[in-house]
Amino acid sequence: GNSVTQMEGPVTLSEEAFLTINCTYTATGYPSLFWYVQYPGEGLQLLLKATKADDKGSNKGFEATYRKETTSFHLEKGSVQVSDSAVYFCALNQQGGKLIFGQGTELSVKP
Amino acid sequence: DVKVTQSSRYLVKRTGEKVFLECVQDMDHENMFWYRQDPGLGLRLIYFSYDVKMKEKGDIPEGYSVSREKKERFSLILESASTNQTSMYLCASSFPRGGRYTEAFFGQGTRLTVV
Repeated sequence: GNSVTQMEGPVTLSEEAFLTINCTYTATGYPSLFWYVQYPGEGLQLLLKATKADDKGSNKGFEATYRKETTSFHLEKGSVQVSDSAVYFCALNQQGGKLIFGQGTELSVKP
Repeated sequence: DVKVTQSSRYLVKRTGEKVFLECVQDMDHENMFWYRQDPGLGLRLIYFSYDVKMKEKGDIPEGYSVSREKKERFSLILESASTNQTSMYLCASSFPRGGRYTEAFFGQGTRLTVV
């Protein structure tokens, strides 16, 4: 079946450091791919998405490129801030609209 | 602004109780979902619905049921709560069936503790 695998956390970085959170997927067909973010005490909110191969999603300085050849959708940010501390989830959308999530990666950014 | 609202942020219930978690969305979405979130496991789909009075099992439906009497409301029911159902529960909604391209919108979550 379809699945999503993320790098394990927690990840701890200093402010202004470069961030990469790895995400790979297994899927039949051509799913859409998403990154969601969950700030402490809140629900999930969409960070960015890509709907076809080679698409790049971007938002708030975060980027991810849909790589069909490596079945990956890694999240990157050039310079993280303390306010980016959160849990990040990679997800894919199967036909029918059901999202399958990775296990989540907790990011902590220190001043 | 789109909104998915869950009726409670925190709940504490006793083992064996029947528990209702309510979710309302104001976006006229057809699809609604219930997930549970546990550390190290991510989000797992419990039940979903594509239309009023329609429901389908997700990956972990055992011990749960759902009700969708109105388009905007989707309820999760724990028939007889057990301690292994202590978790964070998240409701979500999205555009119509087959909407591969569209994202889901989430509520703020309900943290349920069963004692």
